[in-house]
Amino acid sequence: AQSVAQPEDQVNVAEGNPLTVKCTYSVSGNPYLFWYVQYPNRGLQFLLKYITGDNLVKGSYGFEAEFNKSQTSFHLKKPSALVSDSALYFCAVRGLISNFGNEKLTFGTGTRLTIIP
Amino acid sequence: GAGVSQTPSNKVTEKGKYVELRCDPISGHTALYWYRQSLGQGPEFLIYFQGTGAADDSGLPNDRFFAVRPEGSVSTLKIQRTERGDSAVYLCASSPDFSNSPLHFGNGTRLTVT
Repeated sequence: AQSVAQPEDQVNVAEGNPLTVKCTYSVSGNPYLFWYVQYPNRGLQFLLKYITGDNLVKGSYGFEAEFNKSQTSFHLKKPSALVSDSALYFCAVRGLISNFGNEKLTFGTGTRLTIIP
Repeated sequence: GAGVSQTPSNKVTEKGKYVELRCDPISGHTALYWYRQSLGQGPEFLIYFQGTGAADDSGLPNDRFFAVRPEGSVSTLKIQRTERGDSAVYLCASSPDFSNSPLHFGNGTRLTVT
């Protein structure tokens, strides 16, 4: 079974500082990895994904994530945080099965990111 | 273009009642997912459709939950004999295929069972 761990429920970062939101995963075979952001009373919005290729992927709003196969991690990063980045962030993983091409997308429990002005 | 639409946005029902939650996916998206999100938790997978058929319904918690997608577009999640523990936000998502495309989520239906 596939799983995702987000070890930090809450991350606080001063505006302008770099931020990291941690994620580790477990899956059979090669993983498809995703980050989503959720603002209050809204659905999840896609930020970025890793499928294959370069380990550093870039996404929306200046976010990037680094895939590390040996550590089974996919940490979300941003060089300079904005107050508007404050939200709930979810890491998700999808494995690959033969019948339909994909397993379901499995989410972590989320990390609440607060950027302090 | 239009995103994933879920109706109603809020639903309050009494314990024991039957409810239906509707999802209109993005036009042309063949894959449709239902997730449930409780307060302070990540989305929990319920069921996944590829076209009209349920490709994976392993997340449905029990036989009170059922979902259909008869024409391969709109989907309805049906909950019979609702219980207070069913209270959650029910999220629908769609994607254009079943490979590595990201899921596009609706804003969810907040179900409250009193």
